[in-house]
Amino acid sequence: GQQLNQSPQSMFIQEGEDVSMNCTSSSIFNTWLWYKQDPGEGPVLLIALYKAGELTSNGRLTAQFGITRKDSFLNISASIPSDVGIYFCAGGMNRDDKIIFGKGTRLHILP
Amino acid sequence: EPEVTQTPSHQVTQMGQEVILRCVPISNHLYFYWYRQILGQKVEFLVSFYNNEISEKSEIFDDQFSVERPDGSNFTLKIRSTKLEDSAMYFCASSAGGASITEAFFGQGTRLTVV
Repeated sequence: GQQLNQSPQSMFIQEGEDVSMNCTSSSIFNTWLWYKQDPGEGPVLLIALYKAGELTSNGRLTAQFGITRKDSFLNISASIPSDVGIYFCAGGMNRDDKIIFGKGTRLHILP
Repeated sequence: EPEVTQTPSHQVTQMGQEVILRCVPISNHLYFYWYRQILGQKVEFLVSFYNNEISEKSEIFDDQFSVERPDGSNFTLKIRSTKLEDSAMYFCASSAGGASITEAFFGQGTRLTVV
């Protein structure tokens, strides 16, 4: 079945640093989504991408939908303590279809 | 801001018992989903529901599972005879559908513990 490979699995960074994480797939997706999950909470949508090559920003977050439609990256600039959590990429074939999640990147911020 | 609401937040049940997890999707949304997340693992798709019927289900969603939209606002997931391995966070999600840009919005989840 379709699988998303997310890397890195976890990251330890200093507050203020920029962060980059990515997601790849062996199959094509028409939608890429990035979610953040805090402990004990549901995933919260950060950015949605619908067109190959699309680059979208949401505050300090920037995400891109790869040209091949098999990858996406998420950048966080000038990290702050509340950025701590697990970031999931998710892919879908159609806008209202199920989405397949990656295994997540756990972000830790060192004081 | 509209949100997906799930109840209860935590449910403990004995193996073999039936459980019903409840969700109130965002009011103008047309597509509804259940996902689950076993502790420390990724979020997995269970089932999607549109126009009062299941549109897709995963291999996890076997005969022990069923979904229902009993009225205009609730969307429920029933597990008929719970097993230990059903212990997980269950997330309900909904999306608007139609021609506009749509994304799935998730509830806070129900933590199901089967003992």
